[in-house]
Amino acid sequence: NAGVTQTPKFQVLKTGQSMTLQCAQDMNHNSMYWYRQDPGMGLRLIYYSASEGTTDKGEVPNGYNVSRLNKREFSLRLESAAPSQTSVYFCASSDPPVLNAEAFFGQGTRLTVV
Amino acid sequence: QQQVKQSPQSLIVQKGGISIINCAYENTAFDYFPWYQQFPGKGPALLIAIRPDVSEKKEGRFTISFNKSAKQFSLHIMDSQPGDSATYFCAAKQDTGRRALTFGSGTRLQVQP
Repeated sequence: NAGVTQTPKFQVLKTGQSMTLQCAQDMNHNSMYWYRQDPGMGLRLIYYSASEGTTDKGEVPNGYNVSRLNKREFSLRLESAAPSQTSVYFCASSDPPVLNAEAFFGQGTRLTVV
Repeated sequence: QQQVKQSPQSLIVQKGGISIINCAYENTAFDYFPWYQQFPGKGPALLIAIRPDVSEKKEGRFTISFNKSAKQFSLHIMDSQPGDSATYFCAAKQDTGRRALTFGSGTRLQVQP
C-alpha cells in the first residue's frame, strides 16, 4: 500500500525554469493538497482540491498552478521558478466527509532554485 | 496572520521526562485539532487528535489537553524516549468550507539519553 507518492524527491532549478511536481494517491480519497514547508513557518497550504474537477487557492498560491488530473493525481506547476520558491513541498490527501479524517502526506520534494 | 501559534520552537528533554508543546488558535470555527509528528526526510504523520467536545485525550504516552475557552491546546509526551526526537506540529481544521489543515510553526524535540 503506497499511500501518497511524490516525484521527484529532489530537484534543482535555475531561476526562470519551469517544472511540475507530481503526486498520486491510492486511497481513493476525494481531497488532495499541496503544502510547502519552510524553517520556522510550519506547513503552509498552496492549493487544494476538495474533489475531482475542483481546485482552490490556499494561503500562498502566487507563482504556482495546479491540475487535478483525475481522482488519483494532483500536480503542482511552477511556471517561472524563483529563489523564494526554494522549499520542501508536500502533497497530502484525505477524505473529509469522514469525521476526523486523517490527512496522509507524501515523502516530500526538496526543491532548490538557484 | 498566523492562525495557529505554536511554542516552543525547540525543546530538549532528558529521557524519562515530560515534553510539553503548546498551541493557541484564533479561528473559533476550528473543530478538529490534530498533532503531527515528522522525522527527518519524511512527511508528517498523524500522532493524535482531539475534537473540542472533550478536554483531554490520551493514547499511550501521548496526551492532548484542550481548553476551549482559552483557545489553547497542548501535547504532553510522558516518559519521553530518544525515539520521540522529531518535529511536532499542531494543526487545526474546520469541517465546513475549506477543509484543509492549518499548521503551527513546529517544535523540534530532542530527547537526550
